[in-house]
Amino acid sequence: EVQLVESGGGVVQPGGSLRLSCGASGFMFSNFWMSWVRQAPGRGLEWVAHIKEDGSEKYYVDSVKGRFTISRENAKNSLYLQMNSLRAEDTAVYYCTKYSSNWYSDYWGPGTQVIVSS
Amino acid sequence: QLVLTQSPSVSASLGASVTVTCTLSSGHSNYAIAWHQQQPEKGPRHLMKLNSAGGHIKGAGIPDRFSGSSSGTERYLTISSLQSEDEADYYCQTWDSGIVVFGGGTKVTVL
Repeated sequence: EVQLVESGGGVVQPGGSLRLSCGASGFMFSNFWMSWVRQAPGRGLEWVAHIKEDGSEKYYVDSVKGRFTISRENAKNSLYLQMNSLRAEDTAVYYCTKYSSNWYSDYWGPGTQVIVSS
Repeated sequence: QLVLTQSPSVSASLGASVTVTCTLSSGHSNYAIAWHQQQPEKGPRHLMKLNSAGGHIKGAGIPDRFSGSSSGTERYLTISSLQSEDEADYYCQTWDSGIVVFGGGTKVTVL
């Protein structure tokens, strides 16, 4: 059974940093692209970033470029999102997702809450 | 520019059928999409991948009541024999050239 479990969320001041982690199990992690998707309070889903199987390609939504970094550690079946220079508009639930053979999410984690507030 | 458009809400009676529509921006009629369901206070769940010909591949454990179809730039999700647990937000998703796009979501209300 595929399982994705996010951690690392919390409350942080504007301008601060946070590192999210996602532990994966139940599939060959190193064989799939992975992504982060977020959902601001009362809003829809927004793709944040995704990363190739070996970490050699990474893509980001424009609003986080230069501030967020996606990475992975295949030996630990783990996905990460380093978030710097956080803004109030980054407040959201962040979901880790596994991609299928195409760039769509076929499995989702339960999410971790990030609140950026002074 | 790749954009997905969804109507904000739709409603139907218990046991009836309802169709949710996702419209691709002009020039993208050959794009596949994915449908996801988000029940209240829960994370999303993948329902199916849907191609431009209407062929669909469902996610694990998705009931037969959920089906997909396509016409031009429109992608449809039909839920038959509507049940109370189908009351949720439904999102379409597509991808191209390094980016992923979500529709704004459609809230399905079961009357």
